[in-house]
Amino acid sequence: DTAVSQTPKYLVTQMGNDKSIKCEQNLGHDTMYWYKQDSKKFLKIMFSYNNKELIINETVPNRFSPKSPDKAHLNLHINSLELGDSAVYFCASSQEGGLRTQYFGPGTRLLVL
Amino acid sequence: AQSVTQPDIHITVSEGASLELRCNYSYGATPYLFWYVQSPGQGLQLLLKYFSGDTLVQGIKGFEAEFKRSQSSFNLRKPSVHWSDAAEYFCAVGSTDSWGKFQFGAGTQVVVTP
Repeated sequence: DTAVSQTPKYLVTQMGNDKSIKCEQNLGHDTMYWYKQDSKKFLKIMFSYNNKELIINETVPNRFSPKSPDKAHLNLHINSLELGDSAVYFCASSQEGGLRTQYFGPGTRLLVL
Repeated sequence: AQSVTQPDIHITVSEGASLELRCNYSYGATPYLFWYVQSPGQGLQLLLKYFSGDTLVQGIKGFEAEFKRSQSSFNLRKPSVHWSDAAEYFCAVGSTDSWGKFQFGAGTQVVVTP
């Protein structure tokens, strides 16, 4: 059973398009996160939701909008994709947030052409 | 400012040899420390974590790490590496005053030679 799953695994698209990445966790956690990993493998947090409420909102362009329909899901929608958005996006979840261990999904490799 | 440093970008080690990966942090509050491993094309898997108590922490896959407050370090070790240990290793730090905001180091890529 996959604990944290993401779809799609790969996403290749043209500049200017709008795309979404979905994340689901079956761990019963109430906190979920989105991270961006750039080409140098640097991992940086973008957003975090706790019980469907936005808790962490780092300096991210407005083109990125997270949405949490329920505690088990956190989706990431990206408008007007740019070349610099090419990266690997990781979803993670934890119990109660804070300093609890975060469990990561397999990542979504986004390539913007 | 809070920071996490992994001084070694790349380490090559022979199979069967010992491995030590360095992690240094700079945090104002009490740090909570983690080591994650990322195999090629995969997500991050937790190896071990330190919150409090015994400063020598045992993790999965035969890894251990030692928290040294005086040196602001949390180095990861394995006595004898296997070819399957080839991966990217990330040190991460959280603190009580930065809810959920783990700061990750830049990673250390480990290559294992026969």
